[in-house]
This record gives sequence, structure tokens and C-alpha cells, in this order.
Amino acid sequence: DTGVSQDPRHKITKRGQNVTFRCDPISEHNRLYWYRQTLGQGPEFLTYFQNEAQLEKSRLLSDRFSAERPKGSFSTLEIQRTEQGDSAMYLCASSPQRGSGSKNEQFFGPGTRLTVL
Amino acid sequence: TQLLEQSPQFLSIQEGENLTVYCNSSSVFSSLQWYRQEPGEGPVLLVTVVTGGEVKKLKRLTFQFGDARKDSSLHITAAQPGDTGLYLCAGGVTSYGKLTFGQGTILTVHP
Repeated sequence: DTGVSQDPRHKITKRGQNVTFRCDPISEHNRLYWYRQTLGQGPEFLTYFQNEAQLEKSRLLSDRFSAERPKGSFSTLEIQRTEQGDSAMYLCASSPQRGSGSKNEQFFGPGTRLTVL
Repeated sequence: TQLLEQSPQFLSIQEGENLTVYCNSSSVFSSLQWYRQEPGEGPVLLVTVVTGGEVKKLKRLTFQFGDARKDSSLHITAAQPGDTGLYLCAGGVTSYGKLTFGQGTILTVHP
């Protein structure tokens, strides 16, 4: 069990550019979550997948944000036309459907820190 | 909309002191998690409570879920500098799906 991994760990981009982040969940975890965390705040939910199906999206996820999990394994989060307000830590978490997943226990990756200049 | 209010927001104490962090809501949660997060890293799960009135202990940390499953507390006995970090509570309304997080408590334990 290697844990949830995220790539890249840090991303600096200019306003208006597109960025894509990748998340690899714990193997056999069929649920995958994206959250966003700004300085001094707790994480805020963005979206949730069960296998390849995107089951829930937050109103925080504007049209510039898109997330995919095409094969039910890794997931990508793309932000188009980045804005300075998008600067945040983007966290990915995964959860099994059974066992600890029945208590909604989510295991987080190290995050991707995005800075938009 | 489920909201979790954590208090205090900041806590600065000396090594050896005890402390309690509170997490309150007007919503009922099916489960509540406590996480600890270090700068530049993701949250690390400490404990999950699911039953009203449940008490769980993890070494010097004691977690309690309120009887009505709307609130929780984290008590640390004899705090150590290694306990320094951001403590987050998070609740789930169902057994899957999004977690709602509190804004966190930044704990600093001075040697």
C-alpha cells in the first residue's frame, strides 16, 4: 500500500494558462475525491468519483474546472484559463467501498500546491 | 448546507499542558473524522467516530462524539512539541461522498 500520490507537488503558472493535476489513489479504492484548500481554511469539496462515474460536483467547480477518471483508476483535474483566485492546495483522497469506506474514511495524498501569478 | 465550527482557531501552549479542541454543528453526521495536517502536506487521518457518545483513545489523544452526533471533541493530555500541527474535524452526512471540514485549529506546543 503506497498511499495516494499526486503529481506535480508544486505548480507555478501564469494567469490564463491551463494546468492539469494527476491523482493516483490507493489501489483497489474505488472512490476518489478532489478538495481545494486555501491558506488558513479546511479543505473544501470539489468532486467525487465512484469508479469512473462522477457522482457529485460542488458549485465551487466552475466551468473552467473539469475532472476525469476514465478507467476508474487515476484521476486528472484540469483548470482552464487559470485565475489568481485559483491559487490553492488541491488535495486528492481515496476510500474503499467497504471496510473503512463504510465509515467514509478518506485517505489523502500530499496535495498539489498551485500558484497563479 | 452542513457547517462545522471548530474552536479555538489558534492554540499556543507549553509542553506538558492539556488541551481540548471542539467541533460543533447543527447538522447530524453519520461519521466524524479527525485529521492532523503538517505544512505542505495532506491531512492524515487520526480517528473516525460513528456512534453517538463514542469515545476513542489514541495514546495521549481522546476523541469523543456527541450523543446527538452533531459535535465532537479532541483532548490531548501532556502535549508534546511533536503534537504541533493543524487539527481538522470533518463530517460525512452519509457513509460515502463528500466530507465537510471545519476551518481547523492550529496547535503550537512550545518546549
